[in-house]
Amino acid sequence: RKEVEQDPGPFNVPEGATVAFNCTYSNSASQSFFWYRQDCRKEPKLLMSVYSSGNEDGRFTAQLNRASQYISLLIRDSKLSDSATYLCVVALGGSGNTGKLIFGQGTTLQVKP
Amino acid sequence: GAGVSQSPRYKVAKRGQDVALRCDPISGHVSLFWYQQALGQGPEFLTYFQNEAQLDKSGLPSDRFFAERPEGSVSTLKIQRTQQEDSAVYLCASSLFERDTYGYTFGSGTRLTVV
Repeated sequence: RKEVEQDPGPFNVPEGATVAFNCTYSNSASQSFFWYRQDCRKEPKLLMSVYSSGNEDGRFTAQLNRASQYISLLIRDSKLSDSATYLCVVALGGSGNTGKLIFGQGTTLQVKP
Repeated sequence: GAGVSQSPRYKVAKRGQDVALRCDPISGHVSLFWYQQALGQGPEFLTYFQNEAQLDKSGLPSDRFFAERPEGSVSTLKIQRTQQEDSAVYLCASSLFERDTYGYTFGSGTRLTVV
């Protein structure tokens, strides 16, 4: 079983749609949570950190449920430029923290006109 | 430099050949990480350096993989006797502080193809 699991998709949505991605993580010692975006043949880039209280950045909302070990990303009013792969990422805390990131497989989003 | 620089951008190696991949992190960044990304997968951790010390090499897949950062800046990932399963994008990342998960900057990667 992978440490971070995501539905690889692809998710094909029309412009203006709302789309939600979910992921689950297996290690309860996970302390830091992120969504990264990766464009085709490019490096991953941080989209946003995820907190238990939930956080929003423009059209993007991320949520963390520690009890269920579940992370979500909601994108409202999808744009063509949102087409990319979205990577769910966790990092361990405490003595398990070496700074390494644990990535999910990624979920591919294709926004169509 | 302004970002993390990796070279070469592309590398084609014949099976059995040795390769060396270079990473030039952001100046002053303490932490340096190497990741391997196979096609259709997320990046997987290979190794971590804090300055010149290699503190975690738990992700290196075999003893054919070796990494160094002798002066705490530039790092080299070496793969000996390359195999087809080594074909992947190798990503380097650096961050300012030790064990810093929030301040990652990734390089553009080296795409290795073993034929």
